[in-house]
Order: sequence, then C-alpha cells, then structure tokens
Amino acid sequence: ETGVTQSPTHLIKTRGQQVTLRCSSQSGHNTVSWYQQALGQGPQFIFQYYREEENGRGNFPPRFSGLQFPNYSSELNVNALELDDSALYLCASSLASTSMSVTQYFGPGTRLLVL
Amino acid sequence: GQNIDQPTEMTATEGAIVQINCTYQTSGFNGLFWYQQHAGEAPTFLSYNVLDGLEEKGRFSSFLSRSKGYSYLLLKELQMKDSASYLCAALIQTPGGSYIPTFGRGTSLIVHP
Repeated sequence: ETGVTQSPTHLIKTRGQQVTLRCSSQSGHNTVSWYQQALGQGPQFIFQYYREEENGRGNFPPRFSGLQFPNYSSELNVNALELDDSALYLCASSLASTSMSVTQYFGPGTRLLVL
Repeated sequence: GQNIDQPTEMTATEGAIVQINCTYQTSGFNGLFWYQQHAGEAPTFLSYNVLDGLEEKGRFSSFLSRSKGYSYLLLKELQMKDSASYLCAALIQTPGGSYIPTFGRGTSLIVHP
C-alpha cells in the first residue's frame, strides 16, 4: 500500500450533476496530481497541485477544478457531468523540493459512473 | 502534439524474458516512467530514466535512448503475478515551466504456464 487514500471508492451520478472526489496524500508529500483513466486506456493528466497552488494542467475543460488544503489533502470537482466523464479517477502524491515531481504514489482510485 | 506508443498486448511464458517497447515523440522531454497496473488496481512505480542507458532493479530493467525517442522495460524470470498492464509515461516540461506526465495506453502482458 502507498499510504494514499481516496474516497469514495465508487460513485454513480446522472448527467448534469456535480461531483467531489477526495484524496489524502502520503504523509510528508506536498504535491498531488489527479488523473482520469478510461477503460483500456492509460491515465490522462488532469492537473497537479504543489503547496496549495495549481502547478500544471492537462487538456481538460474548466468544469474540472481542484483544491489542495494546508494538510496536503486534495479535492477534484467536476461540474455539469457528461457521460464521457465515466472513468477511474486516480490521485497520486509525491514529494517535490521544486515544482517537478518525480516518483508518484497512486491511490486506489474512485470509479465514477455517469448515467 | 505529444505521442507515446507501446504495443497493446503481449504474451509470454512463465520463466522467460520479455521486452516491452515504448517510443515517444514529444517536446520538452525530461524523463521516462514505467508503471505496473494490475486489473482494478492503481499503477505502481517501477522506474524512472533520465539519462541514456540501462538501469537494473532486480528482475526488472529499464532502458532509455533520448536520441531515438525509445525506451524498453525488460522483465526476467517471468512469474504469473507479472500478468498486468505496463504503462510508459514521458515527463514533459511545458513552455510555462510545469511538468506534465503523458501516459501511453499501456501494454497488457499475459504470462501463461
């Protein structure tokens, strides 16, 4: 186990709703990244937070937003859910002395189904 | 754009050696990750190569050639538990200075007796 936890493990929502996913980083880690993994695909980078500020963003629309808290836990919020948002959402934590994170430790993921 | 290619599926026999290739065409390349992901589980870190050459870690080794945009993961003495998806990811630095990992689709390795 990596020490990274995510909640909930599974979630079912309907199109148009909003969802908040949570991640608790490994102790001592100051960087968290969020990924979307569709079935049979590799993880797609959504964004990264370093010391509570967004540090990089992938090709995702603004309805995907996030927060990192002083204790380095994190949230991913998705508004106006679409059917294509159905996927496994992974968070990964790491310790970065600069803005570049190297070894990332993934949580078990939240499986989201949008109906 | 950024492009990461790896084979979709490979099969191998228990006890054998298998090499999983990954080619990349990216700008701002910094290094290359390999992750292992069992079905229904999160990816686990295997290796990170920054410099050219081979790095060995027990039964697993990873190779990088920056000039060729090429990497491979070598698995020796295959065990049934090595059946998993193997993800190749390039760490890219954007013009804005942030670092973004770009994953391939993964190679599903099936090890049979």
